[in-house]
Amino acid sequence: DVKVTQSSRYLVKRTGEKVFLECVQDMDHENMFWYRQDPGLGLRLIYFSYDVKMKEKGDIPEGYSVSREKKERFSLILESASTNQTSMYLCATGTGGPYEQYFGPGTRLTVT
Amino acid sequence: AQSVTQLDSQVPVFEEAPVELRCNYSSSVSVYLFWYVQYPNQGLQLLLKYLSGSTLVKGINGFEAEFNKSQTSFHLRKPSVHISDTAEYFCAVRPGGYQKVTFGIGTKLQVIP
Repeated sequence: DVKVTQSSRYLVKRTGEKVFLECVQDMDHENMFWYRQDPGLGLRLIYFSYDVKMKEKGDIPEGYSVSREKKERFSLILESASTNQTSMYLCATGTGGPYEQYFGPGTRLTVT
Repeated sequence: AQSVTQLDSQVPVFEEAPVELRCNYSSSVSVYLFWYVQYPNQGLQLLLKYLSGSTLVKGINGFEAEFNKSQTSFHLRKPSVHISDTAEYFCAVRPGGYQKVTFGIGTKLQVIP
């Protein structure tokens, strides 16, 4: 079974703090994704990575950056957290080809 | 660019009744289609997928979906729902040759005892 783990289930940060969300997978998948999930908006892609050190912007990259130094780990960074980044963040992985994605349990981030 | 429309944000249904959750998509290229389910406080998990071949796809937990190319739809159905089916359901589309997936806004299924 594919296992995707996220570093925290719940996180509370203050406005202006630098925030790191980490995602680790154990299935040697090439592709990794970061989404945010908001009520009424569904899932929106922030960034994805198709190889180590490779990244591509998704639909809403503003205010975020990512890092992928090792194949199994994909980090999402909020350089200076703002209240409008309060959300559920979901990491996902997948192989190449037309296959499904595998999701982590999510991190609910609150920025006060 | 592709888009996904889930026509109902919430669907209440009595236990053991049938249910249909609707999904329409638009895309200029051929697509792969997915339904995911999200139980409270969990990530998404795959319910079923359409890649090619038979337009009727069966998934886990008794769910099935039918791909209709002419109507650009991929509706999800279950003939008899259970309390444990209470969850949020997401339709998703992935264009052939691309890695990015577009998700719908989700439909909350509330099964009433």
